[in-house]
Amino acid sequence: DAKTTQPNSMESNEEEPVHLPCNHSTISGTDYIHWYRQLPSQGPEYVIHGLTSNVNNRMASLAIAEDRKSSTLILHRATLRDAAVYYCIPPTTSGTYKYIFGTGTRLKVLA
Amino acid sequence: DTEVTQTPKHLVMGMTNKKSLKCEQHMGHRAMYWYKQKAKKPPELMFVYSYEKLSINESVPSRFSPECPNSSLLNLHLHALQPEDSALYLCASSRVGNSGANVLTFGAGSRLTVL
Repeated sequence: DAKTTQPNSMESNEEEPVHLPCNHSTISGTDYIHWYRQLPSQGPEYVIHGLTSNVNNRMASLAIAEDRKSSTLILHRATLRDAAVYYCIPPTTSGTYKYIFGTGTRLKVLA
Repeated sequence: DTEVTQTPKHLVMGMTNKKSLKCEQHMGHRAMYWYKQKAKKPPELMFVYSYEKLSINESVPSRFSPECPNSSLLNLHLHALQPEDSALYLCASSRVGNSGANVLTFGAGSRLTVL
């Protein structure tokens, strides 16, 4: 299984951009990198996913390194509601549904 | 309907009890998952069903017995659990195929306490 490394915690001021990194030690060539977040007392929720190039949606942007061994989730303007644990899920073994969560980064947003 | 519903929300059981956790979705997803989450830890994958067949068992002890009776339902039968099995049990579902691009939709979880 792919190993992931994420910082345990990060802090950001409200309305500032946040860059959350994730390193994956092994990768598959054809599968996607996913990011989820978990707010207190809730199940994880989908944030974004991508394959090789940078991706944007209404919640965030995802920057993927050329060798696909790392990715960065970008929240363009953090709000208090973005305080959560952010997990990256590296590419699965191709053709399986083995989505293994990374260690997670607890994001604190300061007012 | 874009939700995964898990029941019960809370469950307390003794080590000799038999109980079940239930998960339901009506999004037409044909892959369903059980994860276990201990406090301040990431969710750990336990089982995956694809087209109602067990496709992944992450070496989970036999006191946990999953069942997928139809494409909308996923159960986790619990028997002779230990106090260290106390955790939040999360169910998720997704579409199938698509080379790992499938998005997981999670339920809110069932919090289990084993006395």
